[in-house]
Formats: sequence, structure tokens, C-alpha cells
Amino acid sequence: AQTVTQSQPEMSVQEAETVTLSCTYDTSENNYYLFWYKQPPSRQMILVIRQEAYKQQNATENRFSVNFQKAAKSFSLKISDSQLGDTAMYFCARTGANNLFFGTGTRLTVIP
Amino acid sequence: GAVVSQHPSWVICKSGTSVKIECRSLDFQATTMFWYRQFPKQSLMLMATSNEGSKATYEQGVEKDKFLINHASLTLSTLTVTSAHPEDSSFYICSARMGGLGNQPQHFGDGTRLSIL
Repeated sequence: AQTVTQSQPEMSVQEAETVTLSCTYDTSENNYYLFWYKQPPSRQMILVIRQEAYKQQNATENRFSVNFQKAAKSFSLKISDSQLGDTAMYFCARTGANNLFFGTGTRLTVIP
Repeated sequence: GAVVSQHPSWVICKSGTSVKIECRSLDFQATTMFWYRQFPKQSLMLMATSNEGSKATYEQGVEKDKFLINHASLTLSTLTVTSAHPEDSSFYICSARMGGLGNQPQHFGDGTRLSIL
């Protein structure tokens, strides 16, 4: 199956704290790419971070970092020093042959 | 960089009307554009993939005669919902990718909220 699973429909975190969103996926490919997208209430999809499967080093973008475990097909997103503007839906995605497979999303609420 | 503009952002129209949604890549050439549909509190559902100058590839279950896609240039793709009915009401999002390789990220428009009365 070519699926992406996000097992946490909703999460909340206190402002300035750290939160981790989980994502697992299925694939029979060896080379692929993984993404986390953020969709705030404005509904625009914003690319947060990207990971190339052939790279062992975890990607980092400022307060956002991933824990990529290729053997376990796991790709979690860690948000450090959470800010109110981080409140959004977060979608994990994996590349397919020519498109993206999205997970069902995790709704993150940052509490002031 | 990598800005995608989608227009209109919100449209309300009567049943039976055809509605055209535009998706433009403003600062890059998009070899491939994608059209998604999103129901409330759900993930994005890919409707079709379009490559510049060729016919769109529709996902299973998506009516190609209902959802007409044109990708006439490297910066513009359009989705026309023909003879729209209330069940077509949804949030439609386009995305554009710079290259033909799947590893390139997709950049998304702001989406169009379509309401059919």
C-alpha cells in the first residue's frame, strides 16, 4: 500500500514548549522524498521542511526539525519553542511516481 | 520565491453554472501543476495532474468531462467545473512544481472556496 499515516488527529502545546508530530508511511521505492506542509486557518499550504530519503542526516529549518527513521518508515516533525502562529493543520507527504501522497493531517493548537 | 496565485479565492454561483479557477506560478515556470479537492477537516484529494502542453491525467473517480483542466503555458493552468451542482461545493487547491521530478516540492495556491446554491 502507498499510504501515509498520521495517528494524531489533534494535538496541543503550550507556547514556547516543544511538540512532536508523528508520521509513518508505506513505500516500495528506495528513493523518495518526504515533506511536512502546514495549513493555517487561511487554508494556504505552506512547505515547512523536506527530507530526501537517501540522506541519513535529519533536515532542520530553524525551529523545525525531523526525525527520519528510514528502516521504520517514520518521519516525525519536531517544533521547538512553539509560537501562536504555529497553530495549523500539519500534513505529512511522500512523493509517489509523479505526485504526493498526503496523510490525514494533525491539527496543532498552540496555547498561550 | 515560488509563489503560486490562485483566483478567485471564493465564488458563489447558481446550480448549472460553469466556474473557471485559475492557477498561476508567478516567479517560476511550472512544468507540472496539480489540482486538489479538500473537504472540511479532511486531507487533500488529488483530482488531476497536468503537464504543460499535454492532456491532464485524472485520478480514478474524477470525471474529466466535469472538471476540465487546461495547462496551456508554463505559468497557467485552469480548472473549469462545468454545470456545477451543490455536491461540487468544496475547497479546490492548485499546486505547481518547477521540474518534472517528483522530488521537487509542490508550491500551493491559496485555494478557492466554491459554493454552489
